[in-house]
Amino acid sequence: EVQLVETGGGLVQPGRSLKLSCVASGFTFNNYWMSWTRQAPGKGLEWVASITNSGGSTYYPDSVKGRFTISRDNAQNTLYLQMNSLRSEDTATYYCTRARIIRGTFFDYWGQGVMVTVSS
Amino acid sequence: EIVLTQSPTTMAASPGEKVTITCHASSSVSYMHWYQQKPGASPKPWIYATSTLASGVPDRFSGSGSGTSYSLTINNVEAEDAATYYCQQWNYPLTFGSGTKLEIK
Repeated sequence: EVQLVETGGGLVQPGRSLKLSCVASGFTFNNYWMSWTRQAPGKGLEWVASITNSGGSTYYPDSVKGRFTISRDNAQNTLYLQMNSLRSEDTATYYCTRARIIRGTFFDYWGQGVMVTVSS
Repeated sequence: EIVLTQSPTTMAASPGEKVTITCHASSSVSYMHWYQQKPGASPKPWIYATSTLASGVPDRFSGSGSGTSYSLTINNVEAEDAATYYCQQWNYPLTFGSGTKLEIK
């Protein structure tokens, strides 16, 4: 059974940093691209970052580029999201997602999500 | 960045009705993916590559479209289909539609 378990969320002040982790199990982690997707309270979904299976390439939307860094440790089956210079608009539930490359990128498994609140 | 506009934003249907949710892209895309989300839960993969149902999705669901116009259709809607549905286009930067909330009367 595929499982994605996120940790590391919490309350953080604007301008500070936070690092999320996602431990994956139930599949061969280093065979898959991975991503983070977020959802602000009461709002829709927003893609945040993607990383290739080797970790050699990363992708970000303009809204987080230069502030967020996605990385992975294939030996530990763990995905990370380093978030710097946090803003109030980064407040959201962050989902770790497994990405299938099927006619583009499709998220076929989602974690339970971890809440990040950016507030003073 | 490709903007996806879903319509309607919310809708209500009676059991047994046919429901269609549309997703319009600001530029032509080759494929569209869909997700279902129920309150308090993570999104679930629902339809990928425009028309292929994800594992476990009932066959009363179908997807179609091309270019800038895509749709998700439910034949004989059931109470369990109440949820918010999101479209997502296939290429980077990845973008989602704003969602369509389906209520069952």
